[in-house]
Amino acid sequence: TQLLEQSPQFLSIQEGENLTVYCNSSSVFSSLQWYRQEPGEGPVLLVTVVTGGEVKKLKRLTFQFGDARKDSSLHITAAQPGDTGLYLCAGARSESGFHNTDKLIFGTGTRLQVFP
Amino acid sequence: NAGVTQTPKFRVLKTGQSMTLLCAQDMNHEYMYWYRQDPGMGLRLIHYSVGEGTTAKGEVPDGYNVSRLKKQNFLLGLESAAPSQTSVYFCASSYTGTDYEQYFGPGTRLTVT
Repeated sequence: TQLLEQSPQFLSIQEGENLTVYCNSSSVFSSLQWYRQEPGEGPVLLVTVVTGGEVKKLKRLTFQFGDARKDSSLHITAAQPGDTGLYLCAGARSESGFHNTDKLIFGTGTRLQVFP
Repeated sequence: NAGVTQTPKFRVLKTGQSMTLLCAQDMNHEYMYWYRQDPGMGLRLIHYSVGEGTTAKGEVPDGYNVSRLKKQNFLLGLESAAPSQTSVYFCASSYTGTDYEQYFGPGTRLTVT
C-alpha cells in the first residue's frame, strides 16, 4: 500500500515558469523530507520539515508542511533547466512514539523536465 | 570521503541464480538501509539496520536477506533471483533515525532474465 501519493506524476515546463508539486497522505507523519534524484544517481536531500504549517525556503524552492502533518508541497519559482529531475517526498512514521525507530515512506515521485 | 558506495553498478542474472550486493559507508553512520526503486513506485524499503549486528525487515523483504557484520558494510543477498526482482537497488545510511538525512549510494541496476 502506497501511503504517500505525489502529483503530478510528470511535469514538462518551459524555463521561467512556476510549478507546484504535491505530496498527500491520509496518515500523519512526524517529519517529512524532500529529495531530488538525477538520472543514474541516488536521491539527495533538499529539506526536512518537522512542524505542522512549517514553511522553508531554499533559494527558488519553497516547501510547506501541512497543518495536520499529512501533506506537503514544493513550489519552484522561475524554474531552470538545472531543476530537472525526479522529486521525491518521504514521510517518517512514528512507531511507539519514538523518532529513532521511524522508517521513511517514500512517495511515488514527480518527474520534472524544464526546457530552455 | 567516498560517502556511500555500492558494488556492482550493473548485473544481469538468470532466474534462480544468487548474488550479493555490497554497500559501504565511511561516515560512521549507525543506520543503513536497502531500497528498491521501480517505475511509478518510488523507493520501497527492503531491509534496514540500526547498528552493527542488527537487521530488520522493511516493506518488501521477501526474497532478500541482509547482514551487517561490520558497521560500515551492509550486504543484500538474493538467494534465488526472480524476474520480479529486476529493479534498481539503492543503499543509504544515516546518523541515526529518520529525522536525519539519508545519504544514498549511486545504485545497482539488476536485471533478472
